[in-house]
Amino acid sequence: LAKTTQPISMDSYEGQEVNITCSHNNIATNDYITWYQQFPSQGPRFIIQGYKTKVTNEVASLFIPADRKSSTLSLPRVSLSDTAVYYCLVGTSDTGNQFYFGTGTSLTVIP
Amino acid sequence: NAGVTQTPKFQVLKTGQSMTLQCAQDMNHNSMYWYRQDPGMGLRLIYYSASEGTTDKGEVPNGYNVSRLNKREFSLRLESAAPSQTSVYFCASTGTSGRASYNEQFFGPGTRLTVL
Repeated sequence: LAKTTQPISMDSYEGQEVNITCSHNNIATNDYITWYQQFPSQGPRFIIQGYKTKVTNEVASLFIPADRKSSTLSLPRVSLSDTAVYYCLVGTSDTGNQFYFGTGTSLTVIP
Repeated sequence: NAGVTQTPKFQVLKTGQSMTLQCAQDMNHNSMYWYRQDPGMGLRLIYYSASEGTTDKGEVPNGYNVSRLNKREFSLRLESAAPSQTSVYFCASTGTSGRASYNEQFFGPGTRLTVL
């Protein structure tokens, strides 16, 4: 299983762009990078997934450099409701569907 | 669609008691998972079932057993509960799309278990 390293916590003011970087030095050729968001007392929720370069959806953008050893989740203009824990996962359904969540990054948005 | 449902939502057990946590999904997903999450920690995989009829151990399987009853249902059993198993338990499922590496997991609301 490819493991990941993320900052434990981050603070940001409302309206700012937040970038959370994840290191995954042992990523395999077939692995995808997936980010989840978890609010207190809830299960994680899928945010975005990518393989290389840049992916954007209505919630976030995901930047992946050419060597794929890291990735950056970008949340534009955060609000208080974006306060949550963000997990970076690396894996593929080809490997028996095991994924390592790690401890995630706890983001606190300040008014 | 209800998505992923879990029962019960809360449970208190005494050391040595047994119980089964139930999970069901109505999305016709092939794969199902059981995770535990301790306070302030990330999720750790207990067991998973890549498809109906198969189960495999995850990171922390000791003290647990699972049954993939059919495609919809995946249960987790604690045969003799211990205080170290106090945690929040999440069930999840994932399907397959045209892309082999699609791996969006859908999570249930969790079961909060306390073992005294």
